Amino acid sequence: LAKTTQPISMDSYEGQEVNITCSHNNIATNDYITWYQQFPSQGPRFIIQGYKTKVTNEVASLFIPADRKSSTLSLPRVSLSDTAVYYCLVGGTNAGKSTFGDGTTLTVKP
Amino acid sequence: NAGVTQTPKFRILKIGQSMTLQCAQDMNHNYMYWYRQDPGMGLKLIYYSVGAGITDKGEVPNGYNVSRSTTEDFPLRLELAAPSQTSVYFCASSGQAYNEQFFGPGTRLTVL
Repeated sequence: LAKTTQPISMDSYEGQEVNITCSHNNIATNDYITWYQQFPSQGPRFIIQGYKTKVTNEVASLFIPADRKSSTLSLPRVSLSDTAVYYCLVGGTNAGKSTFGDGTTLTVKP
Repeated sequence: NAGVTQTPKFRILKIGQSMTLQCAQDMNHNYMYWYRQDPGMGLKLIYYSVGAGITDKGEVPNGYNVSRSTTEDFPLRLELAAPSQTSVYFCASSGQAYNEQFFGPGTRLTVL
């Protein structure tokens, strides 16, 4: 299993950029890195996915270094509604080998 | 599209009882998953399926069973419920193993 490690919690203020890093030292060649957001009493929701280098969509960016042993989710100009738990998931073609970490609780303050 | 639906939303069981958690998806996804999430913790994979008729164990399968007779449905069976199975159960589906997973709203189960 590609075990992941994330900070337990982070605090930020509205309007700031937030970077959350996930470590995945034993990532396999065919593994992708996917980030999810979860609000209380809801299922996780997809944010972004990448394999290498940088990926950007309308809500976030994902930075993956050349060795792929870590990844960083970047949320630009966060708002109070971005307060949630963020999970990184590493997995590839074997569905049973994908693992969610324990997540990072992001708290955005006014 | 309804996406992924789960029933029931809440359930209280007595120790030793059994029940089936229902999950259905209307996106014609091959892959379906069952996770459990204990309070303040991440999601742990219980079972998954790569298509109708094919299921396999995840990280924490003990005490559970699954079946996948159709592409749409992936029920999770709890036999002889135990307090350790008190958790929130999420069902998810994806087109391929590495694709975005779509999650249902969850079932909150309490075993007393």
